[in-house]
Amino acid sequence: DAKTTQPNSMESNEEEPVHLPCNHSTISGTDYIHWYRQLPSQGPEYVIHGLTSNVNNRMASLAIAEDRKSSTLILHRATLRDAAVYYCILRAHGAGNKLTFGGGTRVLVKP
Amino acid sequence: NAGVTQTPKFQVLKTGQSMTLQCAQDMNHEYMSWYRQDPGMGLRLIHYSVGAGITDQGEVPNGYNVSRSTTEDFPLRLLSAAPSQTSVYFCASTFSGGGNYEQYFGPGTRLTVT
Repeated sequence: DAKTTQPNSMESNEEEPVHLPCNHSTISGTDYIHWYRQLPSQGPEYVIHGLTSNVNNRMASLAIAEDRKSSTLILHRATLRDAAVYYCILRAHGAGNKLTFGGGTRVLVKP
Repeated sequence: NAGVTQTPKFQVLKTGQSMTLQCAQDMNHEYMSWYRQDPGMGLRLIHYSVGAGITDQGEVPNGYNVSRSTTEDFPLRLLSAAPSQTSVYFCASTFSGGGNYEQYFGPGTRLTVT
């Protein structure tokens, strides 16, 4: 799997947006961009995924650069419950369901 | 649906003991997998299965065995526990094919080997 680079940590104030960057300069044309998050003492949970176009769901938005070498996960209004480690993962289409986790970004939300 | 369940939640073993970590899912998912997570690290894949009767090794398989006799269950066996296997173990499941289905993770089993 191609490598991703994320900042180790970020801080945000409650009810403000959070923009989490992910660099993946070696991404190939068939790699999907997936995001998972892990709340304290819990298993990871799926957040969102995309290929080329920006994606929205009830949890977040995913903005993908035109050259696909980077992406940004956007939490529109952070709550205390959003404090977690967020993982950006590249998945090759047809490569099965294996997930390769990096170190992720630890998000701290301040009240 | 209960989703993905894991038992036990906590376990302490002595070096050399064996045990089985249980994982079950009720979503009829073909694909199941086991990960371990060491402190401050991301998850690493131990073993996975794409369906009943089919298993394969992940990134860190040594010291662990798996089998998949039913779609629902995917137990992980530690044959002879070592302190290096102290970790949190997560089981996950999803539909097979394409790789772009949401994966569901269990709550984890925290294992300490003394």
